[in-house]
Amino acid sequence: QQQVKQSPQSLIVQKGGISIINCAYENTAFDYFPWYQQFPGKGPALLIAIRPDVSEKKEGRFTISFNKSAKQFSLHIMDSQPGDSATYFCAASKGDYKLSFGAGTTVTVRA
Amino acid sequence: DTAVSQTPKYLVTQMGNDKSIKCEQNLGHDTMYWYKQDSKKFLKIMFSYNNKELIINETVPNRFSPKSPDKAHLNLHINSLELGDSAVYFCASSQIDEQYFGPGTRLTVT
Repeated sequence: QQQVKQSPQSLIVQKGGISIINCAYENTAFDYFPWYQQFPGKGPALLIAIRPDVSEKKEGRFTISFNKSAKQFSLHIMDSQPGDSATYFCAASKGDYKLSFGAGTTVTVRA
Repeated sequence: DTAVSQTPKYLVTQMGNDKSIKCEQNLGHDTMYWYKQDSKKFLKIMFSYNNKELIINETVPNRFSPKSPDKAHLNLHINSLELGDSAVYFCASSQIDEQYFGPGTRLTVT
């Protein structure tokens, strides 16, 4: 059973727009929530990660928002660029080396 | 100076054959992993080794056997390949939580 549910499956955004991807989890033991970016033919690359003691983390144009009470977290891509077109995966872990991944979101940024 | 490398990048073989995929990391990490990514891009962990000791062994057919000769290497051997084994296999490594993935090996079983 999938421990992390990710939506939407795909999204299209115009250049300069905001992309938002949402993830939800059930296991309250999870304490590490990374996002990975994967380009076609490449391995997933760690983009940004958050722990439950903060509600938001920003790195450049990428922001994670975390809502512990709702057991949800989201990735916001500000000022989306064509080079951001990729598949994004959320994941969660409870410190046991095991990452549970969401199903992925394919983001297409139109120029 | 690739951090996590895998060979081969592509592997095409027939049903029933045995094949191996090799992985090496030069990050000095203690933990290495094998993941399978299916045609729908879903990523699932298969195995994990910490300092050459198996710590994660998900429900994977015993035709799959990982081997870690040392901390920097983790190989995956697959016996009696089946059509359903066709997928992209990723190696990864980590020190604690942050996992770094290799470029993947696309296995096609015909």
